Amino acid sequence: AQRVTQPEKLLSVFKGAPVELKCNYSYSGSPELFWYVQYSRQRLQLLLRHISRESIKGFTADLNKGETSFHLKKPFAQEEDSAMYYCALSAASGSRLTFGEGTQLTVNP
Amino acid sequence: DTAVSQTPKYLVTQMGNDKSIKCEQNLGHDTMYWYKQDSKKFLKIMFSYNNKELIINETVPNRFSPKSPDKAHLNLHINSLELGDSAVYFCASSQDLSGDYGYTFGSGTRLTVV
Repeated sequence: AQRVTQPEKLLSVFKGAPVELKCNYSYSGSPELFWYVQYSRQRLQLLLRHISRESIKGFTADLNKGETSFHLKKPFAQEEDSAMYYCALSAASGSRLTFGEGTQLTVNP
Repeated sequence: DTAVSQTPKYLVTQMGNDKSIKCEQNLGHDTMYWYKQDSKKFLKIMFSYNNKELIINETVPNRFSPKSPDKAHLNLHINSLELGDSAVYFCASSQDLSGDYGYTFGSGTRLTVV
């Protein structure tokens, strides 16, 4: 069984401060990890995938297989980063995306 | 052009009614999904279809019946609506079953059962 845990339901930082949204997973195989973002009143959007090792909107995430984590980081948070962030896992066999509970990030001016 | 479109956006209905939500994607994707987002914003998969074939039926009550007339459409019909069905329902699609390139989501249908 696959499981994704985001321990922080709410996270509040000030503009310009670093931000880290935590994600831990459990899966016996080799997972594909993703971060999705949902801005207020908008649809979920793919933010980044671990396999592409990209940086989107200043966010990065590194897959740490030893710690089974895929934390999302940004060195300097912006007010427009305020949103709901979901970590998600896809098993090697595919067919479903399992989401964490989500972290509501608020960036204060 | 909206990639994944759902209708209606909002649906308010009485307990016991039957309702449908439609979803269409114009991305040429093979795989489509229905997810339910509850009041705590938790997202849970309900169904997935690949090329019109049911792949996942995730312990959803049989009052919920998905239908995929072709690979670009995945509709959700709900019979005998209950208060607990109130949620936001998201349709999504992916290039293929692996989902390696991520999912594209619709804007959601907010269902309120009164």
